[in-house]
Amino acid sequence: DAKTTQPTSMDCAEGRAANLPCNHSTISGNEYVYWYRQIHSQGPQYIIHGLKNNETNEMASLIITEDRKSSTLILPHATLRDTAVYYCIVISNTGKLIFGQGTTLQVKP
Amino acid sequence: DAGVIQSPRHEVTEMGQEVTLRCKPISGHNSLFWYRQTMMRGLELLIYFNNNVPIDDSGMPEDRFSAKMPNASFSTLKIQPSEPRDSAVYFCASSGTGGSGNTEAFFGQGTRLTVV
Repeated sequence: DAKTTQPTSMDCAEGRAANLPCNHSTISGNEYVYWYRQIHSQGPQYIIHGLKNNETNEMASLIITEDRKSSTLILPHATLRDTAVYYCIVISNTGKLIFGQGTTLQVKP
Repeated sequence: DAGVIQSPRHEVTEMGQEVTLRCKPISGHNSLFWYRQTMMRGLELLIYFNNNVPIDDSGMPEDRFSAKMPNASFSTLKIQPSEPRDSAVYFCASSGTGGSGNTEAFFGQGTRLTVV
């Protein structure tokens, strides 16, 4: 499974969009990009995933570059409850889910 | 569905004792994962099962750790004998992956294990 690179931490003002980048330059054609988040002491929570096309759901949007070597998770209107560690993960058809260090997002009032 | 259910939520045990953690995956899911989380090492994948069969146990730290999945609705992670360095939060997750990368995993609330 391809490795991902994320910034260690980011800040965002409450009510503004949070844009979390992820590099996955070694991704192969059948690998999906997944995003999870973990709020303090809870189990990780699925946010969104995609293969090639941009995706949107009630939680977030996922923008994948045309070459698929990077992606951005967008939380359109961040709230204090969005403060968490965000993980970008690339998964092949094995379904093996490996977490890196993630990005700690701090939403500030 | 009640989601992935783990028990117990908290466990405190003495060094040398056997510890058994339990997990009930979401009904219909055919992949199950066990993770360990510590401040130092983050979230580590210990083992995962597909259709009740262990597919990859390369993350199991040593022989003191063992995991079983006797049927599609139950799995255990056992540590025998336990050591203080096993203190961590252990998460179980399940997904309906079935060999595809196109299905999200759902996590339980975790078991916080403290070995004294």
